[in-house]
Amino acid sequence: DQQVKQNSPSLSVQEGRISILNCDYTNSMFDYFLWYKKYPAEGPTFLISISSIKDKNEDGRFTVFLNKSAKHLSLHIVPSQPGDSAVYFCAASGKSGANNLFFGTGTRLTVIP
Amino acid sequence: DSGVTQTPKHLITATGQRVTLRCSPRSGDLSVYWYQQSLDQGLQFLIHYYNGEERAKGNILERFSAQQFPDLHSELNLSSLELGDSALYFCASSVGGGEGTEAFFGQGTRLTVV
Repeated sequence: DQQVKQNSPSLSVQEGRISILNCDYTNSMFDYFLWYKKYPAEGPTFLISISSIKDKNEDGRFTVFLNKSAKHLSLHIVPSQPGDSAVYFCAASGKSGANNLFFGTGTRLTVIP
Repeated sequence: DSGVTQTPKHLITATGQRVTLRCSPRSGDLSVYWYQQSLDQGLQFLIHYYNGEERAKGNILERFSAQQFPDLHSELNLSSLELGDSALYFCASSVGGGEGTEAFFGQGTRLTVV
């Protein structure tokens, strides 16, 4: 059962515009959420995270928004750049002490120059 | 460079065989995670070790096993391999086993079963 879902397998955006990647989760025990970026033939790299006590976290061009009541988070990239083209994974973990990261299936972002 | 080292990078083997994938975590990291990424699939959590002890199991087949050694490196053993086991296997490490800290991933081992 997929506890973290990314329903859009792909997204294309013009350079300079905003990219919005979405993620939904089902487990209300999750309390920490992360976004990872993955280039081909490389491992995922950490991008940005947010704790459940916040509803927004910003780091440069990247902002993550969390809506706990909707069990939804989103990653905004603005302005989008061609180098942002990659697969983005949403991940979540809980306070179980095991700190397992559950990943979504990823969204492939293509930024068109 | 994430600091997490996985070997080998590529592995081709025949069905029915057994292979061992190795992971060296970042210096100081006590947690090691294993993930499988099959074609067009997301990252499936397999197993998590913290300081030598198994902490959690995900969708790990009985033919697969793992362990974390006293020096904190980890090995994932895959046996009786089937064609469907062909995938990218990622190892990740993090500082602790408690509340969310980001995990750092190795570059993966690409396993091809023929």
